[in-house]
Amino acid sequence: DTGVSQNPRHKITKRGQNVTFRCDPISEHNRLYWYRQTLGQGPEFLTYFQNEAQLEKSRLLSDRFSAERPKGSFSTLEIQRTEQGDSAMYLCASSFEGAVNEQYFGPGTRLTVT
Amino acid sequence: GDSVTQMEGPVTLSEEAFLTINCTYTATGYPSLFWYVQYPGEGLQLLLKATKADDKGSNKGFEATYRKETTSFHLEKGSVQVSDSAVYFCALSGTSSASKIIFGSGTRLSIRP
Repeated sequence: DTGVSQNPRHKITKRGQNVTFRCDPISEHNRLYWYRQTLGQGPEFLTYFQNEAQLEKSRLLSDRFSAERPKGSFSTLEIQRTEQGDSAMYLCASSFEGAVNEQYFGPGTRLTVT
Repeated sequence: GDSVTQMEGPVTLSEEAFLTINCTYTATGYPSLFWYVQYPGEGLQLLLKATKADDKGSNKGFEATYRKETTSFHLEKGSVQVSDSAVYFCALSGTSSASKIIFGSGTRLSIRP
């Protein structure tokens, strides 16, 4: 399977702990996106990378959130000092630079903060 | 800012019924419009798209036409199947940032055999 993969698929953590998620995009894609989806809502854009450069960040991405894509391939999203309001599905997507509308999504990481 | 409003669910239909899920958008420019589908336990999949006014996107029997005059992109299918049961999201590419996709809140569709 050469689609977008995300790990872990589920994460349960206690409030105040740090968590890190990983996304592996489709290998030929140089753009990578992170979205957050809460229950009953559509995904909301968090940030995106072109190669290793982080080009845009949403105001939703507070200082406790940091994303990296060090070699322009996989990406990590870290949440520090988690809060209950961080409980959500975190989605990753990727695309070619020249086809920014064709974003392919991974299955997501469901985070539960207790 | 740009936004999408879609029909609230859940929508329950019998197999072979006609489906319409309404979607309207607000945008300052000329966005591309999309319908994404999320089947149970799976990731979001692009169902169809339209990139300019009067374009019709179609896939798997679903259709939607980009109507600039009514700022709408309603999803239709002539005869639904049980396998169409899923959550459907209307979306647009942000006009201030073409890299960002803005989604509606989703419409859950259930099809009875």
